[in-house]
Amino acid sequence: SAVISQKPSRDICQRGTSLTIQCQVDSQVTMMFWYRQQPGQSLTLIATANQGSEATYESGFVIDKFPISRPNLTFSTLTVSNMSPEDSSIYLCTLSGLNQPQHFGDGTRLSIL
Amino acid sequence: RKEVEQDPGPFNVPEGATVAFNCTYSNSASQSFFWYRQDCRKEPKLLMSVYSSGNEDGRFTAQLNRASQYISLLIRDSKLSDSATYLCVAAFGFVFGPGTRLSVLP
Repeated sequence: SAVISQKPSRDICQRGTSLTIQCQVDSQVTMMFWYRQQPGQSLTLIATANQGSEATYESGFVIDKFPISRPNLTFSTLTVSNMSPEDSSIYLCTLSGLNQPQHFGDGTRLSIL
Repeated sequence: RKEVEQDPGPFNVPEGATVAFNCTYSNSASQSFFWYRQDCRKEPKLLMSVYSSGNEDGRFTAQLNRASQYISLLIRDSKLSDSATYLCVAAFGFVFGPGTRLSVLP
């Protein structure tokens, strides 16, 4: 299966700042997704990263807060903007093919002070 | 109603026990289903796919009931290393269930 590299693996940020998380895959993949997992919770899909077009956001998530880029089939970024303590979470990049299981990167553990 | 629901547990079972988890989904358009396990502070790892005919992988058996819209996971002869949170996924929008926590006790 594809190897997913996610950076940074963890960060501690000040409130009001923004952080961009990178996800690099070692092969071209059709579908890339961004999830969030808040402490003690399950995974929540933020958006589907579409190559060459705007991401598709799930209910409760907006582009201004979580801008996503996907310039090609092997790379995507998620920015967490104007962070607050409620954004403290693990952010996970995943990839999949149609009706295929998802594979996860190691995640980015984000703490906001 | 949530799209994917699971009993959160925790399930505390002795080593060697058989334990079963159920997961219900609301979107009948879901085509694919999966079970993941997630260890504390780790990313989810695929445990097994769930096929219409049911499938088995060693001590693990997964079943799908489309009529009742649920999937199940059976773990036989539980090991201490099976302690984790088990997440089910309905792959129409890749919705994860909230997870069921399993603790296998010596």
